[in-house]
Amino acid sequence: KNEVEQSPQNLTAQEGEFITINCSYSVGISALHWLQQHPGGGIVSLFMLSSGKKKHGRLIATINIQEKHSSLHITASHPRDSAVYICAVLSNYQLIWGAGTKLIIKP
Amino acid sequence: EPEVTQTPSHQVTQMGQEVILRCVPISNHLYFYWYRQILGQKVEFLVSFYNNEISEKSEIFDDQFSVERPDGSNFTLKIRSTKLEDSAMYFCASRLNNEQFFGPGTRLTVL
Repeated sequence: KNEVEQSPQNLTAQEGEFITINCSYSVGISALHWLQQHPGGGIVSLFMLSSGKKKHGRLIATINIQEKHSSLHITASHPRDSAVYICAVLSNYQLIWGAGTKLIIKP
Repeated sequence: EPEVTQTPSHQVTQMGQEVILRCVPISNHLYFYWYRQILGQKVEFLVSFYNNEISEKSEIFDDQFSVERPDGSNFTLKIRSTKLEDSAMYFCASRLNNEQFFGPGTRLTVL
């Protein structure tokens, strides 16, 4: 069983829709990263969180440590949000990566 | 804003050749990492480096791989004799506290 599971694997939505991507993990963590990977391949860190909620523009990330679950939300989605969103947990100073969620936002 | 840089952005090599992938971490960071991502697969941890030595390495990081911090700024990954299955994106990262910062990656193609 993977230590970090993301759902869904693929998500296609219309511009303007509210998007939720989920991440569940089975190991003890000190922090959780949400990262974005565009088709060119580069990885950009969106959030690092260890409790509660963070917001940056239209992106919101939440984490529930007791339930070992995190969500990434995108409000008012836009075609430029199309990318792979990856959840990675920091456990013993190592990042354990999820498989990613491929998001496509159609105009 | 400081960032992690990597060179080259794309490297094409023949099977059996040695390659060196270069990274310049953020200057005040102390922990450095290499990851790889085979096309269509998830990112995999290769190695972490602290205080001029390897602190952790994965099963992937066999004797064909080595890392070095030859001076105060560069952090290199060497693959001694490349195989076809080494074709992947290689990402460098550096860390301060808990947050890792990633370079743009080097796409390695082994023919």
